[in-house]
Amino acid sequence: DTEVTQTPKHLVMGMTNKKSLKCEQHMGHRAMYWYKQKAKKPPELMFVYSYEKLSINESVPSRFSPECPNSSLLNLHLHALQPEDSALYLCASSQDRAGGHEKLFFGSGTQLSVL
Amino acid sequence: GEDVEQSLFLSVREGDSSVINCTYTDSSSTYLYWYKQEPGAGLQLLTYIFSNMDMKQDQRLTVLLNKKDKHLSLRIADTQTGDSAIYFCAAVYNFNKFYFGSGTKLNVKP
Repeated sequence: DTEVTQTPKHLVMGMTNKKSLKCEQHMGHRAMYWYKQKAKKPPELMFVYSYEKLSINESVPSRFSPECPNSSLLNLHLHALQPEDSALYLCASSQDRAGGHEKLFFGSGTQLSVL
Repeated sequence: GEDVEQSLFLSVREGDSSVINCTYTDSSSTYLYWYKQEPGAGLQLLTYIFSNMDMKQDQRLTVLLNKKDKHLSLRIADTQTGDSAIYFCAAVYNFNKFYFGSGTKLNVKP
């Protein structure tokens, strides 16, 4: 199994809603990532979890709250989002071998629209 | 941080070779990567090269690395219409901070 599974595939939410994006992998990877990708732009790193601990937060607004319940699961909780937060949210995972060669495996993303 | 730059568009005819170029600024990146993204999908790892290598071949794909000039290229031989996609180069910084280039949209004409 070399898949990273993201749900839902599409999400429309209002600015007062609370929603969550989910990501799952069963490759035994110990690093998991959230990326945000606007149309016609490269992915931008938001968060990295390494061994279930938050290791990188790229100064993301607090209306995005990540959670890593276990080594296979990664959530992104959304609250009070703005229309400019509309984007494709990509989850990725990697082995997280210290000093080793990392390969990122991506899910197919959640296309988020904030109205 | 890392700056990774690519040209935005490339158009080729089916059967021709495609060459997609990338430049990066931080030479500490141990590995450099090429990813492919089709519309509405995530990124798919195509190939990678270790920074002490000059070239890597993987079936129709050839990666060339000029470390002195910090220039990376991806050559796709016998390009097919199914190769139409956006191609991103990526450098890894600080172990697992991946920086992606702006992406090159490859259009393959039949």
